[in-house]
Amino acid sequence: DAGITQSPRHKVTETGTPVTLRCHQTENHRYMYWYRQDPGHGLRLIHYSYGVKDTDKGEVSDGYSVSRSKTEDFLLTLESATSSQTSVYFCAISESVEGPHGYTFGSGTRLTVV
Amino acid sequence: QKEVEQNSGPLSVPEGAIASLNCTYSDRVSQSFFWYRQYSGKSPELIMSIYSNGDKEDGRFTAQLNKASQYVSLLIRDSQPSDSATYLCAVKGTFGTGTKLQVIP
Repeated sequence: DAGITQSPRHKVTETGTPVTLRCHQTENHRYMYWYRQDPGHGLRLIHYSYGVKDTDKGEVSDGYSVSRSKTEDFLLTLESATSSQTSVYFCAISESVEGPHGYTFGSGTRLTVV
Repeated sequence: QKEVEQNSGPLSVPEGAIASLNCTYSDRVSQSFFWYRQYSGKSPELIMSIYSNGDKEDGRFTAQLNKASQYVSLLIRDSQPSDSATYLCAVKGTFGTGTKLQVIP
């Protein structure tokens, strides 16, 4: 059921280095999202996209940027990684903002910043 | 105040019992409500969506929505050990922190 894949699955990086996470979908869904999940905070929206080159900020966007040059790919970049960005990152896709199918999530990327 | 509130649990129920999970939300104009299940170390998966006041049933799962009280709940009948997971309530794309359910054999 590889409608949405994330890469890499695990990454360890050093403080201050740039990091890019990739989300790829084969469902042709318009909407794509990046969330981070941390204990006690749940899933928090970082950035989302509502079309090619159309992106907007979420709840916790500081220190992150995104790009969407193709419908199928949504990239999340940590410009200069910090230890506070150690987290599990999930990409999600949806057909519509309020549709009945909700979101489909990728398998996640576990990022550790040392 | 977080927009979507859930009791973190853990909620422990014996096998075969009804598990009741609750969620409150603050955005009165919200139209779409979801329940996701997340096993440890895995990604969330959608199990129920509900839009209208009242109950919606799907197998052993029943979602209940009360927009006047800004309250959503999920009932799991005949709970099984395989139902042990964290259940996330979502209002559109805003998620609660989840309730951990443990079903005791």
